[in-house]
Amino acid sequence: TQLLEQSPQFLSIQEGENLTVYCNSSSVFSSLQWYRQEPGEGPVLLVTVVTGGEVKKLKRLTFQFGDARKDSSLHITAAQPGDTGLYLCAGAAGGTSYGKLTFGQGTILTVHP
Amino acid sequence: DAGVIQSPRHEVTEMGQEVTLRCKPISGHDYLFWYRQTMMRGLELLIYFNNNVPIDDSGMPEDRFSAKMPNASFSTLKIQPSEPRDSAVYFCASSLAQGRNQPQHFGDGTRLSIL
Repeated sequence: TQLLEQSPQFLSIQEGENLTVYCNSSSVFSSLQWYRQEPGEGPVLLVTVVTGGEVKKLKRLTFQFGDARKDSSLHITAAQPGDTGLYLCAGAAGGTSYGKLTFGQGTILTVHP
Repeated sequence: DAGVIQSPRHEVTEMGQEVTLRCKPISGHDYLFWYRQTMMRGLELLIYFNNNVPIDDSGMPEDRFSAKMPNASFSTLKIQPSEPRDSAVYFCASSLAQGRNQPQHFGDGTRLSIL
């Protein structure tokens, strides 16, 4: 069974601060996705990283896939209250589990104005 | 375009009753997933279908849970009999089959409370 561990579980910061969320596993994933979920809604895809060492930027958000494709990080620069939400990483196994994602426990981010 | 549609949005029922959750995936999507989300366990995959065929049901908690996909535009998740520990938010998601990096598109979930 593939597991993804996210840290921290909770993050409460002031507007303008920077933060990093980590997603780690002992398993190799063919790709890794990051989702954001707001209260009362389902998760929404932010980005997919595929290649080991890949870095993708989405405005103030920077996503990195580890060289060995076992871990990933999400860095937010100058956080804003609108960034508040639950951030989930999800790994795709590939092979016979094609299409299936394993989700991390999530990081609840609160950005205070 | 319409997203994944789930019904009902909220369900409150008494222990022992049958509960049926419904999902309409995005038209043209080949995969359909049922998840359960709780604070303690996070987002857990229960079962998923490819072209209406169940592929992996290893996440289904026990025999009280069953899922069907009679056609490409409809799926149900049934709990019979329901128990208080089944209380959670249940999500349905769908995705395309092409490529390994297709995102999953989630519905807004059904919040289930078993009293």
